[in-house]
Amino acid sequence: DAGVIQSPRHEVTEMGQEVTLRCKPISGHNSLFWYRQTMMRGLELLIYFNNNVPIDDSGMPEDRFSAKMPNASFSTLKIQPSEPRDSAVYFCATARTGGPNQPQHFGDGTRLSIL
Amino acid sequence: GENVEQHPSTLSVQEGDSAVIKCTYSDSASNYFPWYKQELGKRPQLIIDIRSNVGEKKDQRIAVTLNKTAKHFSLHITETQPEDSAVYFCAANPRGQGAQKLVFGQGTRLTINP
Repeated sequence: DAGVIQSPRHEVTEMGQEVTLRCKPISGHNSLFWYRQTMMRGLELLIYFNNNVPIDDSGMPEDRFSAKMPNASFSTLKIQPSEPRDSAVYFCATARTGGPNQPQHFGDGTRLSIL
Repeated sequence: GENVEQHPSTLSVQEGDSAVIKCTYSDSASNYFPWYKQELGKRPQLIIDIRSNVGEKKDQRIAVTLNKTAKHFSLHITETQPEDSAVYFCAANPRGQGAQKLVFGQGTRLTINP
């Protein structure tokens, strides 16, 4: 089991640029979650998908953020245009659904720095 | 919505002593309470979880207790070791939705002093 795979691991870019973060879920996991982690705000859920369908995007901070899951093997989180306050570690986590309370498994994260 | 409060924010204990981290939640419909450990620069990793039909669960040196009436749950680590040093997060699922959405506490930085 390769685990949840995120890319890139690190991203440094200038403000105003478009940033795309990628996530490959564990095979067979049909729920996918995007989180943002900062010292000030902790671990925040941005959006989650069930069976490739966005279920709850209430945590997406503003229209500059968008997420897609075109198929069961891939999801992207896009920030356009990026701002310095978007600097954070972004985690993708996945879980099985069906049956009670399946735990979420996190990827290694993308450390994003916006200059 | 669900609100999860975690205390203390930092905890320092001597190696071999016990550590206790406490969380409270607001949504009485929550029924799943996982705990994650995050080492510096690493991803959060699930260490133990408990469901609302159980009051206590133990896995070697780690145990979790749940009081549904009071809406609080706690993580207990016994015989602490240096490798237990990390940030620990509790979480709860709002509206009893299974693993589909978790609200996390703010984290506890645990330091084990040799």
